[in-house]
Amino acid sequence: AAGVIQSPRHLIKEKRETATLKCYPIPRHDTVYWYQQGPGQDPQFLISFYEKMQSDKGSIPDRFSAQQFSDYHSELNMSSLELGDSALYFCASSLGGQGGITDTQYFGPGTRLTVL
Amino acid sequence: AQSVTQPDIHITVSEGASLELRCNYSYGATPYLFWYVQSPGQGLQLLLKYFSGDTLVQGIKGFEAEFKRSQSSFNLRKPSVHWSDAAEYFCAVGVGAGGYNKLIFGAGTRLAVHP
Repeated sequence: AAGVIQSPRHLIKEKRETATLKCYPIPRHDTVYWYQQGPGQDPQFLISFYEKMQSDKGSIPDRFSAQQFSDYHSELNMSSLELGDSALYFCASSLGGQGGITDTQYFGPGTRLTVL
Repeated sequence: AQSVTQPDIHITVSEGASLELRCNYSYGATPYLFWYVQSPGQGLQLLLKYFSGDTLVQGIKGFEAEFKRSQSSFNLRKPSVHWSDAAEYFCAVGVGAGGYNKLIFGAGTRLAVHP
């Protein structure tokens, strides 16, 4: 079965640079979530989109922005990168809608961002 | 506030032994509960989920979990552990309105399996 695709899988950037992470949800899934997992930590919710509109926002820095496109893929844009942004960034997708039991989140393999 | 507590940071069991990983949640409404497993450097794989109905839910890889509302718990169990089960296990609660459930994770329990 098709899974969530994230690209790139690994990314190395310098401080103050920008980075763009991409997420391609499972086909027909309309909701995308972004999570950040620091070293040895649990995943923290950043932001989510349903039908191309932001549906919820967590602890996402102002330096980060995200959007969901018409084909439902999503991009997380990160600017003025800091050392503390080094983490594993997960995208998850689900079939959202009106609270049906189908809104289980399926996670991608993650993008490991290293900021030097 | 919503939260998930996994009291055990590390657990070590012998291969073939039984396993129980504890999870307690704090959430005002009926919770959506999940267990995910993460192997080193890998993504999160869904083991099982509870939305409603039967409080004992079966998952993949021989895992099961029991929802106990009175104890606000959702403990994960496996009768006989295999060496390949060594990984980090995260309990999570889905919070939010409608279909926009973000997940709040516990700190995780790292499972080591001795041969």
